[in-house]
Amino acid sequence: GQQVMQIPQYQHVQEGEDFTTYCNSSTTLSNIQWYKQRPGGHPVFLIQLVKSGEVKKQKRLTFQFGEAKKNSSLHITATQTTDVGTYFCAVGNTGGFKTIFGAGTRLFVKA
Amino acid sequence: NAGVTQTPKFQVLKTGQSMTLQCAQDMNHEYMSWYRQDPGMGLRLIHYSVGAGITDQGEVPNGYNVSRSTTEDFPLRLLSAAPSQTSVYFCASSQGTAYGYTFGSGTRLTVV
Repeated sequence: GQQVMQIPQYQHVQEGEDFTTYCNSSTTLSNIQWYKQRPGGHPVFLIQLVKSGEVKKQKRLTFQFGEAKKNSSLHITATQTTDVGTYFCAVGNTGGFKTIFGAGTRLFVKA
Repeated sequence: NAGVTQTPKFQVLKTGQSMTLQCAQDMNHEYMSWYRQDPGMGLRLIHYSVGAGITDQGEVPNGYNVSRSTTEDFPLRLLSAAPSQTSVYFCASSQGTAYGYTFGSGTRLTVV
C-alpha cells in the first residue's frame, strides 16, 4: 500500500532559527497534503501540492513538491513559539479516496 | 457551521465492552474517514467512506465496523474493546480529492 516516510521525527530549534521537514515516497504521488497539529489539538489542513516542482508559500512557510513527485518539504523561516506542534504530510492512493499520513515531525521551539 | 463533531470526547471502557463513537459533519462533504493516533505513530486510517452507502477498509480496520447511511453521519463501532484500542480517535471529512480534510476534536478512549 501507499507509504510515506517523514523525517526527522523530532526537531528542537531556538526561536528565530529555520526548520525543515521532509516527506519521501518510493512511488510517484498524485498529490501531497500538509497538516499541523498543536499539542493536545487536532490536525489542521495547511496546503495541498499537485504539480511537479510546485512551490507554495504561506507567510513564513514554504512548501515544495519534488520534480519527480516522490518527495516534498515544508520549510519554516525564523521559527516562532507559535510554530510548536507536529507537522504531517499526507498522501492519497490512486483515485485519492484513501489518505495516508506520515508519522509526523514534532517541532519544539525554545524562546 | 459546527464542522465535524465527535462524541464523546472521553470514554473509558472495560475489555470486551462494545461502543459507538459518533461523528457528524454539516458541510455536505462526501468523503469521511476515521483515524487513530497513538504516541509516535502518527495517524493511521481505520475506515473511510466516499459517500452514503459506501465504505472501505483503511490500514488498521480489525476490531472496528463502520456504516454510512447518511452523508452527515459516519459512526465507528468497536465490537469488543481491547487494551490495544486505547488511543485518540479522529473523524475527518473532505469535499473531495482536491481538498484537505477537516478534523473533529477527537475522542480519547481508554480500554482497561
